Amino acid sequence: AQSVTQPDIHITVSEGASLELRCNYSYGATPYLFWYVQSPGQGLQLLLKYFSGDTLVQGIKGFEAEFKRSQSSFNLRKPSVHWSDAAEYFCAVGARSGGSNYKLTFGKGTLLTVNP
Amino acid sequence: DAEITQSPRHKITETGRQVTLACHQTWNHNNMFWYRQDLGHGLRLIHYSYGVHDTNKGEVSDGYSVSRSNTEDLPLTLESAASSQTSVYFCASSQGRADTQYFGPGTRLTVL
Repeated sequence: AQSVTQPDIHITVSEGASLELRCNYSYGATPYLFWYVQSPGQGLQLLLKYFSGDTLVQGIKGFEAEFKRSQSSFNLRKPSVHWSDAAEYFCAVGARSGGSNYKLTFGKGTLLTVNP
Repeated sequence: DAEITQSPRHKITETGRQVTLACHQTWNHNNMFWYRQDLGHGLRLIHYSYGVHDTNKGEVSDGYSVSRSNTEDLPLTLESAASSQTSVYFCASSQGRADTQYFGPGTRLTVL
């Protein structure tokens, strides 16, 4: 079964600083990979996804992520953080879970605080 | 614009009562999902459906049931609410089984 680890529960950065959120997964084959963002009291919004092809993926709001097969990682990056980026970020792995079933497994999330 | 809605957004109920949470999507997606979100656990899958009259159990399905009578709706029923079911519940939908899932705004349920 697949699993996802987000090692950092809480990260604080200053506005304008660069950001990297870590995500490691466990799965026997190449999974589908996602990053979602959740603002307080809101649902989850897709930032970006990787299905195949170019391992550097561009998303919305200036975010990007890089799939590194050798490290089983899919880290999220942004060169300059804005105060509005403060939110909780979830990495998710999609993979077959038996037969033709397919399951999305989420990490426990990283809470991002942005200091002015 | 297509969307996915949940109702109610907030619900307080008592232990032992039956509760139904609604999920409605206008994406015309085949697949619909229910998750619960709890501190320290992230999102966990409760039930899912790959089409009308199809339902499947997720990893935390005990005490919950769903039925799918049309494409647009997947109501989640708590047969006899327990305090351990206090949580935020999210509905999601996707076109293909491996496609991106789009989430509703959530329902905060408190069981007293």
